Amino acid sequence: EVHLLESGGGLVQPGGSLRLSCTASGFTFIDYGMTWVRQTPGKGLEWVSSMSGKTDTTYYADSVKGRFTISRDNSRNTLFLQMNNLRVEDTAVYHCMKGGWGNVLDFWGQGTLVTVDS
Amino acid sequence: QSVVTQEPSLTVSPGGTVTLTCGSSTGAVTSGHYPYWFQQKPGQVPRTLIYDAENKHSWTPARFSGSLIGGKAALTLSGAQPEDEADYYCLLFYNGLAVFGGGTKLTVL
Repeated sequence: EVHLLESGGGLVQPGGSLRLSCTASGFTFIDYGMTWVRQTPGKGLEWVSSMSGKTDTTYYADSVKGRFTISRDNSRNTLFLQMNNLRVEDTAVYHCMKGGWGNVLDFWGQGTLVTVDS
Repeated sequence: QSVVTQEPSLTVSPGGTVTLTCGSSTGAVTSGHYPYWFQQKPGQVPRTLIYDAENKHSWTPARFSGSLIGGKAALTLSGAQPEDEADYYCLLFYNGLAVFGGGTKLTVL
């Protein structure tokens, strides 16, 4: 059974940094691309970033490019999202997903809440 | 910046049929956009219903189907059930990025 567990969310001031983690199980992590999606409370979904499985190619939404970095540690089955220079508008629940760019997007994690507020 | 458009809200009668659409500001939606459809019920995590325009996951109810119609991606619900009341989001892939639509709030009434 596929399981994705996000962690690392919390309250941070504007301009601050956070590092999100997504620990995966139930599939061969290295073989799959992975994706971060966020949802502002009460609003819609926004694709944030993806990383392919085998080539480690990375993709970013314009809204986060240059501030966020996606990475993965295949030995620990873990996906990361390093978020720097955070803005109030980055406040959202961040979900990791299995898939993206070469792999079907199928499973979602429960998400971790990031609040950017002074 | 590509914009993906969906109907803000739709209503369907129980047992009825409704089609949700997903358009792109860049032109016709094609299979090359690998259209996805996601369902989100209140208080729940979204779940993936359709991928690559028309393919279903093992958990996708048979009454949902995806297609490309008139230059848009479409999600058709045939025989709506009360539990289908939810928000539905489409996702399109472009060159190096992906964009969600604003979502359609589907009411079964």
